Amino acid sequence: DAGITQSPRHKVTETGTPVTLRCHQTENHRYMYWYRQDPGHGLRLIHYSYGVKDTDKGEVSDGYSVSRSKTEDFLLTLESATSSQTSVYFCAISESDRYQPQHFGDGTRLSIL
Amino acid sequence: AQKITQTQPGMFVQEKEAVTLDCTYDTSENNYYLFWYKQPPSRQMILVIRQEAYKQQNATENRFSVNFQKAAKSFSLKISDSQLGDTAMYFCAFMKQEVRNEKLTFGTGTRLTIIP
Repeated sequence: DAGITQSPRHKVTETGTPVTLRCHQTENHRYMYWYRQDPGHGLRLIHYSYGVKDTDKGEVSDGYSVSRSKTEDFLLTLESATSSQTSVYFCAISESDRYQPQHFGDGTRLSIL
Repeated sequence: AQKITQTQPGMFVQEKEAVTLDCTYDTSENNYYLFWYKQPPSRQMILVIRQEAYKQQNATENRFSVNFQKAAKSFSLKISDSQLGDTAMYFCAFMKQEVRNEKLTFGTGTRLTIIP
């Protein structure tokens, strides 16, 4: 298994609270991604990163921000969580060579009440 | 934007039988990559197989093979000699061959259940 750890694995919180999800990798891969998975939608890209302090928006980035201050860590923040952000969140990494497959973490189940 | 379509929401197959999962995609790109990922009940996303669009030869990985029809924009996955451990959601995914744009676009998935 690729060395990807997502934390927390589960979280329940209230609307309006800030939430930060962490993705930690031990592979020294350059590229990192955050997806959300919802029924009927498959996985959709939120934000991605090509390296330290190099991030870009994905398909569903509204309401989310990211930071990457170290190669191994990619943080996803919900500044003020809403019920529509209840989802399963996956982090993925891929090697620095282009067009390589992405390998996924085990996901974080986030519930916003 | 690319669109990936999986028209089979769920399938049931007897153990040891073969099964084919369908995927079509809509793109104007000529160079791209296609993937099948498997998500068992454990929720992990596991890469099953990868196909480069510039390769005419269909990719194979043990019991898993694809039928890639570039002109028809079709990318089906065949699982031979199915096993109980193949029970999972299967997602088809697309990646453009474009620098700094190595993002995956996923289909909505097919839930495959292998019956003993």
